[in-house]
This record gives sequence, C-alpha cells and structure tokens, in this order.
Amino acid sequence: GEDVEQSLFLSAREGDSSVINCTYTDSSSTYLYWYKQEPGAGLQLLTYIFSNMDMKQDQRLTVLLNKKDKHLSLRIADTQTGDSAIYFCAERSPNAGKSTFGDGTTLTVKP
Amino acid sequence: NAGVTQTPKFQVLKTGQSMTLQCAQDMNHNSMYWYRQDPGMGLRLIYYSASEGTTDKGEVPNGYNVSRLNKREFSLRLESAAPSQTSVYFCAIKTAGGYEQYFGPGTRLTVT
Repeated sequence: GEDVEQSLFLSAREGDSSVINCTYTDSSSTYLYWYKQEPGAGLQLLTYIFSNMDMKQDQRLTVLLNKKDKHLSLRIADTQTGDSAIYFCAERSPNAGKSTFGDGTTLTVKP
Repeated sequence: NAGVTQTPKFQVLKTGQSMTLQCAQDMNHNSMYWYRQDPGMGLRLIYYSASEGTTDKGEVPNGYNVSRLNKREFSLRLESAAPSQTSVYFCAIKTAGGYEQYFGPGTRLTVT
C-alpha cells in the first residue's frame, strides 16, 4: 500500500532556514500536503501542492516536489520559535477516499 | 479547528469499560474520519465515512466501531477498552472532491 516517510526530528536556530523532507511511494498521488501540529492541538493544513506543480511558495514556506524521486520538501525561511511543532507530510490519490500521513517531523527551534 | 468539535477532551477508562467518542461538524462536509495518533507513529486511520450512512475500515479498525447516523455526526465506540487503545483520537472532515482535511482538537484517552 501507500507509504509516506519522514525523519522524526529536526533542530534549527532562530533565523535560519529549516527544510523538512518527505518521500512517498504512490506514483498516482495527486495531492501532497504539509500539516502543522502544535502541542495539545489538532493538525492544521499549512500548504499543499498538486502533482502537476514543481514548486509552491507561500510567504515563508516553500514546497518543492520532485515527482521522479517521489520527494517532497518544506522549507521554512527565517525560522521562528513559534515554528516549533510537528510537521506531517500527507498524500492522496485522486480516487482515494483517504489520505496517507507520514509519522511527523518534530521541529525544535532554538533561540 | 473551527467547525469540528470532539467530546470529551480527556477520558480515563479501566480495561474492559466501553465508551463513545463524539465528533460533530458544522461545515456540511460529506467525508468524516477517525484517526489515532501515537508517539512516533503519526496518524493512523481507524474508520472513515464518505457520506451519511456509509462507513469503511481504515488501517487499524480492530477494537472499534463507528456510526454515521447523519451528515453532521460521526461517533467512535470502544466496546471493551484495552491499554493498547491509549492514544489521542482525532476526527477530521473533508468536502467531497476537496483536498483539505479539517481536524478536531482531539480526545486524549488513557486506558489503565
């Protein structure tokens, strides 16, 4: 079945850029998402990219998609302590009723 | 998390007890989902419902039952709770054909 992989932990300094990586196996994935989960809260959609795109930028967030390698990344520019959270990568195929989530990357931002 | 409510927020059960987790939405979306989240294991889908009156098993359905009696509510029932069901449970909703899932705030369940 579908699988989505992420590294579990990432540490960054305030002001640096952070890059969170994700790989997926389903070549029919059409929608790829990044969610953010703050402590004690549910998941919040940060951004998404369609499979016919290579890049999407939204303020401090840049999503890069390499369809050939099935690799997705989320770059957070000028990382702030408020960016400390768990970031989930997810994918969905066009006819699937559900998304497949990665295990989440815990980003810790130090002053 | 506006639009998706979950009750209760916290619950402690003894092994063998039963309970129902409630999820309600006010966004008129067709699809509703129940996930569990465990440390280092991400989100795992328990059950989902593409529309009122239909339900389908997800990745980890054993030990759970669901009910989608109307468009607004989707409940998750544990008939005989086990310590392995200690987890944080999230409900989510999505429009038909839409791409974004909206998550509830979660229910933190401990089974002793």
